[in-house]
Amino acid sequence: DQQVKQNSPSLSVQEGRISILNCDYTNSMFDYFLWYKKYPAEGPTFLISISSIKDKNEDGRFTVFLNKSAKHLSLHIVPSQPGDSAVYFCAASFGTASKLTFGTGTRLQVTL
Amino acid sequence: DGGITQSPKYLFRKEGQNVTLSCEQNLNHDAMYWYRQDPGQGLRLIYYSQIVNDFQKGDIAEGYSVSREKKESFPLTVTSAQKNPTAFYLCASRTNNEQFFGPGTRLTVL
Repeated sequence: DQQVKQNSPSLSVQEGRISILNCDYTNSMFDYFLWYKKYPAEGPTFLISISSIKDKNEDGRFTVFLNKSAKHLSLHIVPSQPGDSAVYFCAASFGTASKLTFGTGTRLQVTL
Repeated sequence: DGGITQSPKYLFRKEGQNVTLSCEQNLNHDAMYWYRQDPGQGLRLIYYSQIVNDFQKGDIAEGYSVSREKKESFPLTVTSAQKNPTAFYLCASRTNNEQFFGPGTRLTVL
């Protein structure tokens, strides 16, 4: 049972435009959410996170929105740059062990 | 500089052989994790350790074993009991709520 879902396997956006990556979850116990960026054959790098007590967190060009009632979060990248082209993973956790449950990822391609 | 190292980057083994993947961190983090990634899938948790000399099974622990004798080190052994060991293996350590990953080891079993 996939508790964290990223239903769009790929997304293509023009440079300078907004990229919106979506993530849905089913487990209402999740209380912390993270986004990671991953290049091929490398480890994921942490991008941004949000606690369930907030509905928005912003860091430079990256903003994460959380809608708890819909069990949905999204990552906005504005403006998109070619270097943003990568696979983006959504992850969720709860409790002190902070085990992460990952989605299957969305491949973002930023075109010139 | 601080970080997580995994060695080797690429590893080839014959079917039926056990193999141990290295993970070292100098971030002074208590918690460490092992994940595997398969094509088109997210990362799946194999084992994790919250403190030295203690570890717990993750979602797909069968065919794997770990040890945590030192805070800095969390090696993963892929045993011959693992039915499909070819994958990209990632080690991570945690501070607060965020996990930081090493560069990964691609294991290919021939």
